[in-house]
Amino acid sequence: EVQLVESGGGLVQPGRSLRLSCAASGFTFDDYAMHWVRQVPGKAPEWVAFISWNSEYIDYAEFVKGRFTISRDNAKNSLYLQMNSLRTDDTALYYCAKAKGDLYFEYWGQGSLVTVSS
Amino acid sequence: DIQMTQSPSALSASVGDRVTITCRASQNIISYLNWYRQKPGKAPELLIYATSNLQSGVPSRFSGSGSGTDFTLTVDSLQPEDFATYYCQQSYSSPPTFGPGTTVDIK
Repeated sequence: EVQLVESGGGLVQPGRSLRLSCAASGFTFDDYAMHWVRQVPGKAPEWVAFISWNSEYIDYAEFVKGRFTISRDNAKNSLYLQMNSLRTDDTALYYCAKAKGDLYFEYWGQGSLVTVSS
Repeated sequence: DIQMTQSPSALSASVGDRVTITCRASQNIISYLNWYRQKPGKAPELLIYATSNLQSGVPSRFSGSGSGTDFTLTVDSLQPEDFATYYCQQSYSSPPTFGPGTTVDIK
């Protein structure tokens, strides 16, 4: 059974940093690309970042470029999202998702809530 | 970026009803269209990928069709667990984008 478990969310002040982690199990992690997707409650999901299976290809949504960094450690079956210079409009539930093809999302974690507020 | 729209934004239905949701892309996305169901308080789950391919484990009452810019999701014989919000999403080009959602509630 595929499991994706996010952690690292919380309340943070604007301008500060936070690092999310996603622990993957139930599939061969280093065979698959991964994504981060976020969702404000009551709104549609919004794609944040993509990383290929070997980290050679990385892509970001425009609104996080230069502030967020996606990475992975295949030896630890883990995905990460380093979020710097956080803004109040980054407040959302952040999901990690296993890619199917490159640009869609086969399995999702339960999400990690990030609240940016002073 | 490719913009996705959905109609209706909400609908009321009964168990056993047939429901159809429409999704439109702002440009030709060929067949790179996926559908998700999101139950309250849960993560989205993939139902259909590449317009009409049923994800493993998804019941056959779900079906998808379309091409180019216009797509539909049909749920035959709505079940209690299908009262949820449905999103379409294009995977033709980056950034992948979602429609605003269609909420199906109980009549």
